[in-house]
Amino acid sequence: EVQLVESGGGLVQPGGSLRLSCAASGFVFKNSWMTWLRHSPRKGLEWLANIRPDGKQTYYAASLKGRFIISRDNAKSLLYLQMNSLRDEDTALYYCSEGNSHDYWGQGVPVTVSS
Amino acid sequence: QPVLTQPPSASGTSGQTVTITCSGSNSNLGRKSVSWYQHLPGTAPKRLLYDNYQRPSGVPDRFSGSKSGTSASLVISGLQSDDEADYYCAAWDDSVMGWLFGGGTKVTVL
Repeated sequence: EVQLVESGGGLVQPGGSLRLSCAASGFVFKNSWMTWLRHSPRKGLEWLANIRPDGKQTYYAASLKGRFIISRDNAKSLLYLQMNSLRDEDTALYYCSEGNSHDYWGQGVPVTVSS
Repeated sequence: QPVLTQPPSASGTSGQTVTITCSGSNSNLGRKSVSWYQHLPGTAPKRLLYDNYQRPSGVPDRFSGSKSGTSASLVISGLQSDDEADYYCAAWDDSVMGWLFGGGTKVTVL
């Protein structure tokens, strides 16, 4: 059974940073494209970034303007999202997903950006 | 900036058929396949369809999809109360080199 468990969320002040993690199990992590997405009531579901199985190619939503970095550790089956210069509008539930078309999703981790 | 456009809401009574449209452009739906997702806010989204009309195992055949040109559709037949959720289309866009999601359609069972 595919399991994706996000962690690392919480309350952060505007301008601050957070690092999200996603622990994967139940599939061959090193062979899978992995993705970070988020959901907010204002914007709905929003794709943020994905990373190739070998970690050597990444793609980002233009709206992030270079503030977020996706990475992975295939030896530990972990996916990461480093989020910098956080803004109020980054408040959302953050999800990791697996597969070429977001086949499986985690339960999400909340991030709140507020002073 | 390319977008995928969905109606904000759709509704029907139990047993009826509801169709949700997704309109894009040549850089996304015009050349790439569409996926559809069901989402209850606060829970994990679920992939309903991929490659335009393929259903993952476990998804009822009441859910079907199609694509023509730069538009796609999700059809929910035999509407049930459990189908009340938000539905999103998504596709890769070659001009921005990223995935686009539609704004979502809230389905209500009257």
